[in-house]
Amino acid sequence: QSVLTQPPSVSGAPGQRVTISCTGSSSNIGAGYDVHWYQHLPGTAPRLLIYGNSNRPSGVPDRFSGSKSDTSASLAITGLQADDEADYYCQSYDSSLSASAFGGGTKLTVL
Amino acid sequence: QVQLVQSGTEVKKPGASVKVSCKASGYRFNDYGFMWVRQAPGQGLEWMGWVSAYNGNTNSAQNLQGRVTMTTDTSTSTAYMELRSLTSDDTAVYYCARSGYPYSYGHYWGQGTLVTVSS
Repeated sequence: QSVLTQPPSVSGAPGQRVTISCTGSSSNIGAGYDVHWYQHLPGTAPRLLIYGNSNRPSGVPDRFSGSKSDTSASLAITGLQADDEADYYCQSYDSSLSASAFGGGTKLTVL
Repeated sequence: QVQLVQSGTEVKKPGASVKVSCKASGYRFNDYGFMWVRQAPGQGLEWMGWVSAYNGNTNSAQNLQGRVTMTTDTSTSTAYMELRSLTSDDTAVYYCARSGYPYSYGHYWGQGTLVTVSS
């Protein structure tokens, strides 16, 4: 069990907007540690989508956005495309573990 | 451009050790550390630990402490992750990623190294 909880799956039709939540606690997100988001396709390396809660690396479309509030964070994807179908993970640091952790991952299905 | 190139596929017997390498290029090696992450079959990403390329400081996941050693070699711009006392639960794809701090993100990633533990 991860200290960061994500829904196992979300889905949406092409063109729609979906959000993926990442729920933590007072020892990680609520303690002020940044949240980062990755997209992962099987057989490939994870791709950084959002760093520092809401910042996009160059090359990541502005269809992807991140936010953080209290003890949770969210990744929003607008204008869903077929190639957005992948697993998405949040990451943050946990002071009680003295280590970083990933959420359990969310599988996005584009209907 | 930043590149991380990992060593190849490994097959190990239970109880053995494995050492995965991650050769960096395209930036000043000492300026960043390395995060190690693994994914077992059908499972999610697991953060294993972080090592500083500046001073060798490490930070590892509690469930791996005592079995994992992360090091860097500045002369060859290479990071290493050694995992000992392997069991079938350690079968996974192992990734390195450039990461500034234990709480930071991985912007650039290696291609992954498959480690299979089987008798």
